Amino acid sequence: SQQGEEDPQALSIQEGENATMNCSYKTSINNLQWYRQNSGRGLVHLILIRSNEREKHSGRLRVTLDTSKKSSSLLITASRAADTASYFCATALWGTGNQFYFGTGTSLTVIP
Amino acid sequence: KAGVTQTPRYLIKTRGQQVTLSCSPISGHRSVSWYQQTPGQGLQFLFEYFSETQRNKGNFPGRFSGRQFSNSRSEMNVSTLELGDSALYLCASARWGGAEGETQYFGPGTRLLVL
Repeated sequence: SQQGEEDPQALSIQEGENATMNCSYKTSINNLQWYRQNSGRGLVHLILIRSNEREKHSGRLRVTLDTSKKSSSLLITASRAADTASYFCATALWGTGNQFYFGTGTSLTVIP
Repeated sequence: KAGVTQTPRYLIKTRGQQVTLSCSPISGHRSVSWYQQTPGQGLQFLFEYFSETQRNKGNFPGRFSGRQFSNSRSEMNVSTLELGDSALYLCASARWGGAEGETQYFGPGTRLLVL
């Protein structure tokens, strides 16, 4: 079963706007990671945030983590057409080694 | 440094056949994981290998098996294919895999179509 769920399932914005997507998960985690997937291809790692961190930045990406609410958000600022992709959060649970649980994904479309 | 490579990229099989997929991890990475991605079930963990040993296994039937070689390359085998096995199979590698949640680097995937 899915550990996490992304919200919204689909998002369509104009180029230059910001995109925010959310991830909720069910159990305690060690860290949470965000990945991007272009249509039908492999996943590209974007950013990792540890359970003791609340916010992290990487270029145009900002990730927040609220362990009390078991949720995370990914903000992409000044979006570009090239950001069009599906975005997934992935969590690794304590005691499960390197087994990742992926959310359902948010499909982002950036309109030029 | 070369990324994770998977072969073949596309595969068409018929029900009842078996298939073997191959994954070469990033040089120096010893952990290899396999995932199945379908529109209905999303991304699901199949298994993880580390130093030629299966360390973790997801909730898939025994028709799905794998192995890892001494050079860390891994193969995944699916026997007696079913229509529902049509999916994108993704391989991911990590340096150690022992640190929980260590970043995994994904290959481009093998798209399997079962007719």
